[in-house]
Amino acid sequence: AQSVDQPDAHVTLSEGASLELRCSYSYSAAPYLFWYVQYPGQSLQFLLKYITGDTVVKGTKGFEAEFRKSNSSFNLKKSPAHWSDSAKYFCALEGRGGSNYKLTFGKGTLLTVTP
Amino acid sequence: EAAVTQSPRNKVTVTGGNVTLSCRQTNSHNYMYWYRQDTGHGLRLIHYSYGAGNLQIGDVPDGYKATRTTQEDFFLLLELASPSQTSLYFCASSEWGGRYAEQFFGPGTRLTVL
Repeated sequence: AQSVDQPDAHVTLSEGASLELRCSYSYSAAPYLFWYVQYPGQSLQFLLKYITGDTVVKGTKGFEAEFRKSNSSFNLKKSPAHWSDSAKYFCALEGRGGSNYKLTFGKGTLLTVTP
Repeated sequence: EAAVTQSPRNKVTVTGGNVTLSCRQTNSHNYMYWYRQDTGHGLRLIHYSYGAGNLQIGDVPDGYKATRTTQEDFFLLLELASPSQTSLYFCASSEWGGRYAEQFFGPGTRLTVL
C-alpha cells in the first residue's frame, strides 16, 4: 500500500518570506514523487518531480523540492514567496497498482501569501 | 502542450439520475484518468485507461462506470447518481502510464446530485 501525508491543511505567510510545504510518504519501493499546484478556480498544473539522483529538484515558477529518504519526505520550497503563489499544493506518489502505475495524492495544503 | 477538455463544466442532477461526463485530449496520450476532488480527501482515482477499449479500476470505483471509445475520448458514467457523488471531477492524460510521466489535467466538471 502507498500513502501520502500533507500534515498542514493551511499555511499562511507574508510575501517575501520563505515557504516550505511538508509532504511525507509511505511506499515499500523507490518512490517517484510529484508536486502539483491548483490556483483558485483552476485545474492542477505540474510543478516538479523527483525520480532519482539529486535530492534537490527544481521545477517551474521558482519552486524546488528536497527529497529525504531518511525520513520519507519531499518538502516543497520557495524563497521568497509572492502573493501570486497563493494556491493549493498537492504532493503525489507514483506507485504500482497491479500491473500499472498510478498516482496517490495527498489531501493538499492551501497556501495563503499575504501582501 | 497537451490539451484536455471536459464537458459539461457544471451539471446538476437528481438522485437516481443518469449522468455522463466527457473528456477529450488532443495530444495523442495513451493514458487517461478520472479523479474526484473532495474537501479533506485530495484527489482520488476512480478509473483509468491505457487505450481505446481498455479500462482499469481505480481506488474509488463504486457507483461509476467508464468507457474509452477512442484514444482521445474517455467518458465517466453515473447510472444511478447519489448525493455522495456530488464532487468536482477531473480528467487527466499522460503519455504513458506511470514511469514518472507528468499528468495533464482538464478544467474540471462540478457535479451536484440533489
